[in-house]
Amino acid sequence: KAGVTQTPRYLIKTRGQQVTLSCSPISGHRSVSWYQQTPGQGLQFLFEYFSETQRNKGNFPGRFSGRQFSNSRSEMNVSTLELGDSALYLCASRPGTSVAEAFFGQGTRLTVV
Amino acid sequence: SQELEQSPQSLIVQEGKNLTINCTSSKTLYGLYWYKQKYGEGLIFLMMLQKGGEEKSHEKITAKLDEKKQQSSLHITASQPSHAGIYLCGAAPALIQGAQKLVFGQGTRLTINP
Repeated sequence: KAGVTQTPRYLIKTRGQQVTLSCSPISGHRSVSWYQQTPGQGLQFLFEYFSETQRNKGNFPGRFSGRQFSNSRSEMNVSTLELGDSALYLCASRPGTSVAEAFFGQGTRLTVV
Repeated sequence: SQELEQSPQSLIVQEGKNLTINCTSSKTLYGLYWYKQKYGEGLIFLMMLQKGGEEKSHEKITAKLDEKKQQSSLHITASQPSHAGIYLCGAAPALIQGAQKLVFGQGTRLTINP
């Protein structure tokens, strides 16, 4: 069974640009959540999607958005990139809406220059 | 808001020695997760604990959740170089509309000396 797949693995963008990251959950999993990891703030929750609906959102500005498709694949978008957005972005998948094991992908390393 | 405190922040042990990492919460935990991370890579799922007093093992790693569900410990027996990495505990404080917002500790960096 394939794990959580995130693409691309690495990205370099310029300030002011926008970026879209993709996450394909484990087959059969319908919940996808996104996290940002930085050396200073650690791992922080961005948002979670289930059945194409955002179920919860963390404390991030509106420049961070996401969506989920009918096949449970999810994308997150960051507009008007800032230097501080440089981070490892991780997505996690779990089967549904109950407390369950959450499996993470390898992450996308975003560098904003 | 819920906070997770991990201790120690870093740990250096001799290969073959046992070690313990602790994770303490200020609130009741509804789900406690342990992950391992190699620098710059994704999180590898180790174990999830839900019930007070629960204990799970995988190979040489054992995790426990105390009865009051506010503290967990991760114990590694006979450590090996492959155990080196950053260990993170994550907790689900509650389900909100079915969403599981995990909060994480700051991590424990484990180094194994041969």
